[in-house]
Amino acid sequence: NAGVTQTPKFQVLKTGQSMTLQCAQDMNHEYMSWYRQDPGMGLRLIHYSVGAGITDQGEVPNGYNVSRSTTEDFPLRLLSAAPSQTSVYFCASSWSHHVQGGTEAFFGQGTRLTVV
Amino acid sequence: AQSVTQPDIHITVSEGASLELRCNYSYGATPYLFWYVQSPGQGLQLLLKYFSGDTLVQGIKGFEAEFKRSQSSFNLRKPSVHWSDAAEYFCAVAKNYGGATNKLIFGTGTLLAVQP
Repeated sequence: NAGVTQTPKFQVLKTGQSMTLQCAQDMNHEYMSWYRQDPGMGLRLIHYSVGAGITDQGEVPNGYNVSRSTTEDFPLRLLSAAPSQTSVYFCASSWSHHVQGGTEAFFGQGTRLTVV
Repeated sequence: AQSVTQPDIHITVSEGASLELRCNYSYGATPYLFWYVQSPGQGLQLLLKYFSGDTLVQGIKGFEAEFKRSQSSFNLRKPSVHWSDAAEYFCAVAKNYGGATNKLIFGTGTLLAVQP
């Protein structure tokens, strides 16, 4: 049981390049989300998914795309990287999108992305 | 709009001393509150959570937090800090939004340093 796995751990991109950050969970969680972490700003929600085939925007969705074709995977795509997207990205999952029942969010170890 | 405020950006305590990290929230309904810890280079780990019931909640690693509705606070405490507690601590509230109540809103974090 690996939990939430993110790849890669580190990435450097040139402005304008595209890439996909991978996120996979093996806990059969229905809810998955992507956050970015920037100094002094905490974690901000980019996109989330309440189940396969269902995604929605969070606080800061511009410049990012997601899809959820399976329960396990929730990739985040940067369409045309910009320096403002330099950040640490975290994927999280939880059993349900309903808090009742004591669900908690499990986080991956993060992807540190630098756009030059 | 829901928000979470952690007024202390950086705190230094001596090993063995007591600790209190402050968290204030702004939320119209009954909040679901969390404290997460992030060790350097790691993802976030849940320390404790409050959903309802007893306002004093116990978590892992000897931490506890007290929910005070009258003060809109959920402060994290530990009676005796260990050097391994040096990390960044995030308070979060689950936003009840369109049924996706696991949309966590994070504070900006408090960085804890522990002096020998």
